[in-house]
Amino acid sequence: DTAVSQTPKYLVTQMGNDKSIKCEQNLGHDTMYWYKQDSKKFLKIMFSYNNKELIINETVPNRFSPKSPDKAHLNLHINSLELGDSAVYFCASSQSRGPGDTQYFGPGTRLTVL
Amino acid sequence: AQSVTQLDSQVPVFEEAPVELRCNYSSSVSVYLFWYVQYPNQGLQLLLKYLSGSTLVESINGFEAEFNKSQTSFHLRKPSVHISDTAEYFCAVSVRFGRAGGGNKLTFGTGTQLKVEL
Repeated sequence: DTAVSQTPKYLVTQMGNDKSIKCEQNLGHDTMYWYKQDSKKFLKIMFSYNNKELIINETVPNRFSPKSPDKAHLNLHINSLELGDSAVYFCASSQSRGPGDTQYFGPGTRLTVL
Repeated sequence: AQSVTQLDSQVPVFEEAPVELRCNYSSSVSVYLFWYVQYPNQGLQLLLKYLSGSTLVESINGFEAEFNKSQTSFHLRKPSVHISDTAEYFCAVSVRFGRAGGGNKLTFGTGTQLKVEL
């Protein structure tokens, strides 16, 4: 069974469109994250939710809106897509919000904006 | 703020040779330290982490890393690599005592591509 799953795996879209990426974890974890990995493989956290509450919100354009309907799901909606949004987006989860907790990553969603 | 430096972007090595991937960090507060591995077209997996106690930590597949507080380093080593170790390796830190409710924010280095050759 996949611990952290993301859909879709690949997403190709035009500039200006709105798209969503879904993430689900079946580990029973309380905390979930979104990371962005750019073309140079640099990873940077975007958001974190703990039990549906937003606890980390890095400097991310407000075109990006995370939504957590329950603690097992954290979706990422992106409005008005731009070329610079092209990247691989990783969802992750951890048991709690503790700084020593291991984060478990999903397989990633490769977003290409044309 | 924390930062992580991985000076080597690529490390080529022959199979069965030893390897060391370097990681240095900068932080004004105590941190936890992690090594994650990313195999091609996959997500990241935890390789090992240092939280407290013995400064030498080991993974199940033969990697080890040593926390050196005075040198602010957490280098990753393996005495004999295998072809299957070819992957991208990321060093990361999180603040040990973040502000209340601050959450578990990992700060990553830029990664080191380990390429094991026959």
